[in-house]
Amino acid sequence: EVQLSESGGGLVQPGGSLRLSCAASGFTFNTYAMIWVRQAPGKGLEWVSGISGSGGSTYYAHSVKGRFTLSRDNSKNMVYLQMNSLRVEDTAVYYCAKEGPGGGVDFWGQGTLVTVSS
Amino acid sequence: QPVLTQPSSASASLGSSVKLTCTLSSGHRGNIIAWHQQQPGKAPRYLMKVEGGGRFNRVSGVPDRFSGSSAGADRFLTISNLQSEDEADYYCETWDSDTWVFGGGTKLTVL
Repeated sequence: EVQLSESGGGLVQPGGSLRLSCAASGFTFNTYAMIWVRQAPGKGLEWVSGISGSGGSTYYAHSVKGRFTLSRDNSKNMVYLQMNSLRVEDTAVYYCAKEGPGGGVDFWGQGTLVTVSS
Repeated sequence: QPVLTQPSSASASLGSSVKLTCTLSSGHRGNIIAWHQQQPGKAPRYLMKVEGGGRFNRVSGVPDRFSGSSAGADRFLTISNLQSEDEADYYCETWDSDTWVFGGGTKLTVL
């Protein structure tokens, strides 16, 4: 059974940093790209970042490029999203998601809330 | 990069059917899309993929009341015999080599 479990969310001041983690199990981890998607309060889903199965390629939305860094440790089945220079508009629930065969999300984690506020 | 357009809201009566639309931007009419359901207060849930030719593959555990279809740049999610638990936000998603895109979502109200 596929499981994704996010952690690391919390309250942080503008300009601060936070690292989100996603623990994965139930599938051949290094075979699939992993992505992060966020949802601001009352808003829709917004893709944030993605990483290939090998970890050799990373991709970022324009809104977070240069501030967020995505990485993975295939020996531990973990994905990490390092978020720096956080802004109030980064406040959202952050979901870790698995890409399925052929592309597109085929499994979602439960999400972790990040609040950026002074 | 592709853009996905969805109506912001839809409504239908209990036991009836509803067809939700997701429209692909020009140049991406052949893209495969995925449909996701988000019930109030919950994480999204993947439902199915829909191809340009109309073929769809519903994930295990999703009731067969949910089906997909396609026409040109439009991808559809049809829900028949609407149940109260179908009241949710529905998002379409597509992707290319280095980006993932979500539509704005359709809020479905079951009357």
